[in-house]
Amino acid sequence: DGGITQSPKYLFRKEGQNVTLSCEQNLNHDAMYWYRQDPGQGLRLIYYSQIVNDFQKGDIAEGYSVSREKKESFPLTVTSAQKNPTAFYLCASRGQGKAKNIQYFGAGTRLSVL
Amino acid sequence: SQKIEQNSEALNIQEGKTATLTCNYTNYSPAYLQWYRQDPGRGPVFLLLIRENEKEKRKERLKVTFDTTLKQSLFHITASQPADSATYLCALTMDSNYQLIWGAGTKLIIKP
Repeated sequence: DGGITQSPKYLFRKEGQNVTLSCEQNLNHDAMYWYRQDPGQGLRLIYYSQIVNDFQKGDIAEGYSVSREKKESFPLTVTSAQKNPTAFYLCASRGQGKAKNIQYFGAGTRLSVL
Repeated sequence: SQKIEQNSEALNIQEGKTATLTCNYTNYSPAYLQWYRQDPGRGPVFLLLIRENEKEKRKERLKVTFDTTLKQSLFHITASQPADSATYLCALTMDSNYQLIWGAGTKLIIKP
């Protein structure tokens, strides 16, 4: 069953704590993305990776970090420097060939601050 | 400034009627425009893609139009059903890097 798996579904962060959101894909896609979704706003790009061991900042990278050590995995760390982390976080991969413009999403992680 | 606008108010449609959603943009020249469906608490799911040189695209009960002069796309669902109730997002692709620029979405409610 191919797709994007995000975990956990819900996550709570204490003040001053770093938390890591998991994103795994078995679609064999090279490019992966992290977005943040807030009510009434479009998806905003946090980080993206076009290939293993390479990643680029998106529009709102401050307070976040990523790694891409394996093709299948693109974890996102929300650091204590991110002062307003409460949001719905979405991971996506981009198709290839005829589907190179299409993004495939996980079910999301909802992060809240305790 | 660059903007993508979708109607922020929910659209209420009677079952069986055609639902039409609008996506307007300014100061972009997209190569492609895409529509996605998002259910509550879930990630978006791709529906249709239309290229800048295409006027219209159809898939089953779905139809998308793209007017690059008006900088507008219309998304139609014919013979709407309560199962079509969801939020619909439009997204622009600039050809150079495949990144998507997203609208905030319009919530569609189909009433039985």
